[in-house]
Amino acid sequence: QQQVKQSPQSLIVQKGGISIINCAYENTAFDYFPWYQQFPGKGPALLIAIRPDVSEKKEGRFTISFNKSAKQFSLHIMDSQPGDSATYFCAGWDEGQAGTALIFGKGTTLSVSS
Amino acid sequence: DAGITQSPRYKITETGRQVTLMCHQTWSHSYMFWYRQDLGHGLRLIYYSAAADITDKGEVPDGYVVSRSKTENFPLTLESATRSQTSVYFCASSHQRQGNTEAFFGQGTRLTVV
Repeated sequence: QQQVKQSPQSLIVQKGGISIINCAYENTAFDYFPWYQQFPGKGPALLIAIRPDVSEKKEGRFTISFNKSAKQFSLHIMDSQPGDSATYFCAGWDEGQAGTALIFGKGTTLSVSS
Repeated sequence: DAGITQSPRYKITETGRQVTLMCHQTWSHSYMFWYRQDLGHGLRLIYYSAAADITDKGEVPDGYVVSRSKTENFPLTLESATRSQTSVYFCASSHQRQGNTEAFFGQGTRLTVV
């Protein structure tokens, strides 16, 4: 059972456009929802994150929208730039038997064309 | 240098051989994680550890063994490598969970099993 479902798998956006990536989660025990950004040949790095008691969080051009009742959250990238071209992962922190672990979606490859 | 480092960066091994991937972090983070990244599957959790001598299985643990005798090290061993274990492996670490937390990733190890 996939705990975090992410879509689309790939996305092409023109420079200046809005990129939207969606995620849905199954496990109601998730209590913190980060987005990670990964450039080719690098490890993922935290981009932005949200707690479930907040409906929206904005940091610069990046915004997370969170819908707790629907168990969905999304990443919006405003004024998308070629430098935003990367793979984006949504995730949730889950309580396991030995502590907490970060569970990822399958990722979205974003290409911003100039 | 402070941070999280993985070694080796690249490894080619033969089917059936034992191989160990190393992960070292200098922050004294309690939590450490191993993920594998494959096209179409995103980042899948192999094992994680909440502290020294405390480990638990993730989504895809079969064929892997971990140990955590010291807080700063979290080696991943493939006991008898198979071609299906060809992947990019990422190690990560984070503070003990207290509300918001960030996981920091290493640069990855690209493993090829021939």
